[in-house]
Amino acid sequence: EDQVTQSPEALRLQEGESSSLNCSYTVSGLRGLFWYRQDPGKGPEFLFTLYSAGEEKEKERLKATLTKKESFLHITAPKPEDSATYLCAVKNSGYALNFGKGTSLLVTP
Amino acid sequence: EAGVAQSPRYKIIEKRQSVAFWCNPISGHATLYWYQQILGQGPKLLIQFQNNGVVDDSQLPKDRFSAERLKGVDSTLKIQPAKLEDSAVYLCASSFRELGGDTQYFGPGTRLTVL
Repeated sequence: EDQVTQSPEALRLQEGESSSLNCSYTVSGLRGLFWYRQDPGKGPEFLFTLYSAGEEKEKERLKATLTKKESFLHITAPKPEDSATYLCAVKNSGYALNFGKGTSLLVTP
Repeated sequence: EAGVAQSPRYKIIEKRQSVAFWCNPISGHATLYWYQQILGQGPKLLIQFQNNGVVDDSQLPKDRFSAERLKGVDSTLKIQPAKLEDSAVYLCASSFRELGGDTQYFGPGTRLTVL
């Protein structure tokens, strides 16, 4: 059975303090690892898709990387507006996304 | 481009009552998904449609939940009768490519409270 574990559950950073979120996974036949951002009261917002080990993608202050067992979401010099819950999900040979519980990030001024 | 639309945004009902949620996917998206997100958890797939056919409903509690997608566009998800544990956010998502293509785009969700 596919498993997705995200850590830490919650993270508090000072503005400008870089850090990384972790997503560990076990899946039979990975067909994509997805990162979403979810603000309170809103649906998940798509950030990145990674397909193979070694792949990296960047968007503004965010950079996602992938290995055979885990993915990292690196946040460089975060701002308060980066505060949100970050969700990781994997897709196997089926079609559904299997989500982790998310990491709740709070960036304080 | 308009995103995934859902209504209502909030619903409060008493247990044993029935409730229905509506979703309009992004124009041209063949695949539609309904997810349930309990507070503090990630979304969990309930049902997936490809056009107007069901692809996966293995996690849908069929004794009380039903869903349909008429004409391969809009979809409704119904709960009858509701239980306390059904309190959650119900998210609709859609994707462009057939057979559950790559990126799923989510609507704002409907927050259901069952008293």
